[in-house]
Order: sequence, then C-alpha cells, then structure tokens
Amino acid sequence: NAGVMQNPRHLVRRRGQEARLRCSPMKGHSHVYWYRQLPEEGLKFMVYLQKENIIDESGMPKERFSAEFPKEGPSILRIQQVVRGDSAAYFCASSPFFEGLYNQPQHFGDGTRLSIL
Amino acid sequence: QKEVEQNSGPLSVPEGAIASLNCTYSDRGSQSFFWYRQYSGKSPELIMSIYSNGDKEDGRFTAQLNKASQYVSLLIRDSQPSDSATYLCAVNIRGDSSYKLIFGSGTRLLVRP
Repeated sequence: NAGVMQNPRHLVRRRGQEARLRCSPMKGHSHVYWYRQLPEEGLKFMVYLQKENIIDESGMPKERFSAEFPKEGPSILRIQQVVRGDSAAYFCASSPFFEGLYNQPQHFGDGTRLSIL
Repeated sequence: QKEVEQNSGPLSVPEGAIASLNCTYSDRGSQSFFWYRQYSGKSPELIMSIYSNGDKEDGRFTAQLNKASQYVSLLIRDSQPSDSATYLCAVNIRGDSSYKLIFGSGTRLLVRP
C-alpha cells in the first residue's frame, strides 16, 4: 500500500495518559501535515513538518501537544495528559516537495480516532 | 470573516441533477484550490485541484475558479446517490511561516434516488 499510513486506527486513553499517533507519508512525499476533526466539523490545521523540521505549528495548542518527523521513521503526534476535549479524529496528510506558491495536493491517511475516557 | 467559507447544507438534489457547491475565501494571494469529498467516518479524498481562473473538467466534476471574486465552485453533473457526502473546499493561505491549506467546514450533499 503506497498511501499515507496512520496507526493506530482507534486509540482509547484515560484522562491524564499520553497518546501517540503515527503517520508514514506516501512514498516520495517529504511534507507531512496533521489535522484535527471534531464530529460534524471541518478539518483544523495543526502542524506542518518536513524531515527533522517543524515548518508551521501555528494550529497546535501551546501545551501538551508536540509533533516530530525524524530523519528515519514515521511522523509522531504526541498528546500528553489527555483530556476529554482531545477526543477527535486526527488525520495526517502528505504531499511532495513544491516550490513557490503552488501547493501540491495533499493526500490523507485513514485517520486515528482518539477517545478519552 | 472566516478564511474559507462554505454553506453547511444539506444541499439536496434529485438523482441525475446538477449539484452546485460553492466556496469563498479571504486571502487574495491564494493560488491553489482543492475540493475533497468525505464520506461519514472516512478520510477526505481529493477530487479536484485548480490553479487558474476558469473551468476545469474531470468526468462528471467541474471546478470553477474566479480569483477576482475570491470564489471557487464544484459542479457535479448527473448526480448519483453515491455522491452523497460532505464536500470540503481547501485553499492555500499565507501563514506566518509558510503557505498552508485551510479547509472550509464542508457542505453536506444529499442525492435523492
């Protein structure tokens, strides 16, 4: 499967625990994006990463949330000390390298549904 | 003003009709525009991308872009019940450190058999 791979598909955590969401981009893609989607709402941008670099984290809450995209391995979205309000679908998307103003389309993974008990 | 605006719907059309979905955006510098389809409980799926003013056709889908009016639309001809989904408009917006895609909240389309 050459698509964007996310795991786990479903994740259940108790309040105060940590959640780790993983994303492997499509082959040949060097840009990774994380989005959060609450029920019946649109996709909210969280963070944009390239290998070993955070390019834009303006959509990420300042506390408890962090993201990385190491040189080797998948991108990780980490949520510490989860609260009920973190329950949502978290989608990862990837795109190839682009220059200038013309974004290449982003292709989405199947998402991780995070439930906080 | 929201950066990308769509009517939430639902937009209900009979099978075989043309469905017209609209989207407006705030950043005059935007250059890239995308339409995604999202079925309930599923991930967004890219349908169309458009970068220049005018129409772009792909099968039953036509994207229309008018940068002067900051308006992008999606027409679905010969609508089928399987087209019933939420359609998300996405526009690249200049952020503090990069361009990034901003999504509208989506328009729910219902195609009646």
